[in-house]
Amino acid sequence: DTEVTQTPKHLVMGMTNKKSLKCEQHMGHRAMYWYKQKAKKPPELMFVYSYEKLSINESVPSRFSPECPNSSLLNLHLHALQPEDSALYLCASSHLGEGTEAFFGQGTRLTVV
Amino acid sequence: AQSVTQLGSHVSVSEGALVLLRCNYSSSVPPYLFWYVQYPNQGLQLLLKYTSAATLVKGINGFEAEFKKSETSFHLTKPSAHMSDAAEYFCAVTLGGGSQGNLIFGKGTKLSVKP
Repeated sequence: DTEVTQTPKHLVMGMTNKKSLKCEQHMGHRAMYWYKQKAKKPPELMFVYSYEKLSINESVPSRFSPECPNSSLLNLHLHALQPEDSALYLCASSHLGEGTEAFFGQGTRLTVV
Repeated sequence: AQSVTQLGSHVSVSEGALVLLRCNYSSSVPPYLFWYVQYPNQGLQLLLKYTSAATLVKGINGFEAEFKKSETSFHLTKPSAHMSDAAEYFCAVTLGGGSQGNLIFGKGTKLSVKP
């Protein structure tokens, strides 16, 4: 199994809603990542988890709250988002070590109304 | 700080023609370099990676890239374009050690293939 599975594929939420994005992998990877990709732009790193602990937070607003319940799961909790937060949210995972590549999920297309 | 620059936001080739997508990197230490492809409304798929084992790297779908330290380049090539190659291509860099998925991406190059 070389897949990273993200749910839901599409999400529309209001600015007062609370929602969560989910990501799952069964490749034994101990590093997991959230990226944000705006239209016609490259992905930008948001968070990195290593051994289920948050190791990098790229100055992401607190309305985005990541969680890594175990080594296979990664969540992104959303609250009080703004329309400009509409984007494709990509989850990725990788082994820890020199030269290993990241595997990406298909993404969640988020629209904030 | 490490970075990559992709020359040309849009490249158009005819089916069967050579594909050349350019990427230059900036890094103070030996980098790890990657090429990813993204089809519309999908995630990213790894095409190939450079990790210092060999300067000419072969990837999936007939793509290859050559690491040239003297030119700080890692250009992606394919001898003969196919319609299915039409997509967005991203060059990315990461430093060694620790997590390897914290990638810094170039701005991307959209490849169009004409019949």
